[in-house]
Amino acid sequence: DGGITQSPKYLFRKEGQNVTLSCEQNLNHDAMYWYRQDPGQGLRLIYYSQIVNDFQKGDIAEGYSVSREKKESFPLTVTSAQKNPTAFYLCASSMRSGVAFNEQFFGPGTRLTVL
Amino acid sequence: GQQLNQSPQSMFIQEGEDVSMNCTSSSIFNTWLWYKQDPGEGPVLLIALYKAGELTSNGRLTAQFGITRKDSFLNISASIPSDVGIYFCAGQITSGTYKYIFGTGTRLKVLA
Repeated sequence: DGGITQSPKYLFRKEGQNVTLSCEQNLNHDAMYWYRQDPGQGLRLIYYSQIVNDFQKGDIAEGYSVSREKKESFPLTVTSAQKNPTAFYLCASSMRSGVAFNEQFFGPGTRLTVL
Repeated sequence: GQQLNQSPQSMFIQEGEDVSMNCTSSSIFNTWLWYKQDPGEGPVLLIALYKAGELTSNGRLTAQFGITRKDSFLNISASIPSDVGIYFCAGQITSGTYKYIFGTGTRLKVLA
């Protein structure tokens, strides 16, 4: 089945540790995105990548890092510099259409809890 | 970061009632999307709108791309208990990044 997978579903880490969240898509989509969602709030963009080996900061990139070495993979690292990392993290992808990008499709999310 | 104004923030309705929600912005958008999110899951795309004035249906759902390109509406007819969830709008900005800006969500609860 085509889709976006995120792993793990739940992740617990001690304060001060870096942690990497996985996002894989087999939709052959060009662009991939990471969002953070806090309770009762909308989605805030962390990082996005519109082409392999290139990525851009979103609105809340501080304390996060990403890589895009393969088209199908866009892992997110939550570093110890992120002051409030406990949140629900969503990965999305979209297909390029000319100079623009089509609608975004989301993975199931990873809930990160920092103890 | 920029966010859309989505209203209402939450609503309780009786099963069988119709539901309306909307998103507004001071910016114009190329595309409007509507998503539904169940607790602990990722958002699922319901409807995509690509042209000002466009009216699109998906079963009991109908959405419209506002003529000014600054707003969009979602209607759900004859609500059922499984309509419960959070509904998000998203607008695609017209600049070179073509990022999507998301609304803050409408939390819908349906009383049987």
